[in-house]
Amino acid sequence: DQQVKQNSPSLSVQEGRISILNCDYTNSMFDYFLWYKKYPAEGPTFLISISSIKDKNEDGRFTVFLNKSAKHLSLHIVPSQPGDSAVYFCAASPDPSYDKVIFGPGTSLSVIP
Amino acid sequence: AAGVIQSPRHLIKEKRETATLKCYPIPRHDTVYWYQQGPGQDPQFLISFYEKMQSDKGSIPDRFSAQQFSDYHSELNMSSLELGDSALYFCASSTRDRAYEQYFGPGTRLTVT
Repeated sequence: DQQVKQNSPSLSVQEGRISILNCDYTNSMFDYFLWYKKYPAEGPTFLISISSIKDKNEDGRFTVFLNKSAKHLSLHIVPSQPGDSAVYFCAASPDPSYDKVIFGPGTSLSVIP
Repeated sequence: AAGVIQSPRHLIKEKRETATLKCYPIPRHDTVYWYQQGPGQDPQFLISFYEKMQSDKGSIPDRFSAQQFSDYHSELNMSSLELGDSALYFCASSTRDRAYEQYFGPGTRLTVT
């Protein structure tokens, strides 16, 4: 039973345009959400996080939006660059000290030059 | 900045052999996590340690054990290896109070033949 869902296994975007990666979750106890980026043969790299008391968090080209009532979050990358091509994992946790971060299945983003 | 170090990066073992994977967390991180990622799958939480004590346990087989040492490094011991144990094994680290922001190592690719 997948608690964190990323329904798009892949996404292609032109360089310079906006990339929007979506994530849905089912567990209403989740209060912390994260996005990780993963290149082949490397470990996931922490990108950005958001807690449920906020609906938006921005870090450079990356912005995460959280809609708690819809149990939905999204990652916006603007402008997209070829180096952003990677697998993006959405992850969630109910508590800041809870060890078991639950990962989604990932979305493979390709940014076309 | 210093990252999580894992060794070895690649390991080939035969069925029924044992393997030991090592993880050195980011300095000042006191919590270590182990994940297993099979082909085409999202990372699955195995086990975590805080201050040398097991903190949480996920889907770790009884054939596997792990520990954290006084210098905070951790080792994952795998015995009676099976073909299905072939996977990428990631170690991650964090501070206790921000367990949801885990920083991953590059992974150890274990191949069991």
